[in-house]
Amino acid sequence: SQQGEEDPQALSIQEGENATMNCSYKTSINNLQWYRQNSGRGLVHLILIRSNEREKHSGRLRVTLDTSKKSSSLLITASRAADTASYFCATAGSNTGKLIFGQGTTLQVKP
Amino acid sequence: ETGVTQTPRHLVMGMTNKKSLKCEQHLGHNAMYWYKQSAKKPLELMFVYNFKEQTENNSVPSRFSPECPNSSHLFLHLHTLQPEDSALYLCASSQTGTDTQYFGPGTRLTVL
Repeated sequence: SQQGEEDPQALSIQEGENATMNCSYKTSINNLQWYRQNSGRGLVHLILIRSNEREKHSGRLRVTLDTSKKSSSLLITASRAADTASYFCATAGSNTGKLIFGQGTTLQVKP
Repeated sequence: ETGVTQTPRHLVMGMTNKKSLKCEQHLGHNAMYWYKQSAKKPLELMFVYNFKEQTENNSVPSRFSPECPNSSHLFLHLHTLQPEDSALYLCASSQTGTDTQYFGPGTRLTVL
């Protein structure tokens, strides 16, 4: 069964605006990760947040995690056209290394 | 680049062909993965190898046959595929005990 579900499925914004994507999951997790994928390419790891963390920052990225609601959000501030990509959340439930991915949010940033 | 390479990048094959996908990682990792990415579907985990041993087979049809000769190389042998097997096949690696995975660029497979 699908673990991560992302919302919205597609998002279109102007350059300079902030983009917020949400992810919900169903079971308990060790950590949650966000990945980015440019069209037809592999995924690139962006950020990992552990189950005992509530917020994490990396450059223009801000990730929050609410384990009581089983949800996470990814905020990209001051977006750029180069941020256009698909963004996926992935949850890790144990130390097996197995990740379960959501369907992703497709972000378009218009110059 | 992430340190994970995949060849070929594009492959077109008939249903009766036999072909192989190759993945190589230069990161010193000991876990490797095959994923299938179809349009409008989440990434599907196919196989997991830890220290060259297969530790997960996610109910993948036998027409997909993985091989892991060492911790740096992973193959996916394909035979008698179906058109619905057309997808982007992604390889990834990680260090056992950590959850962050590093992905290759993928092989775009089209089955005619």
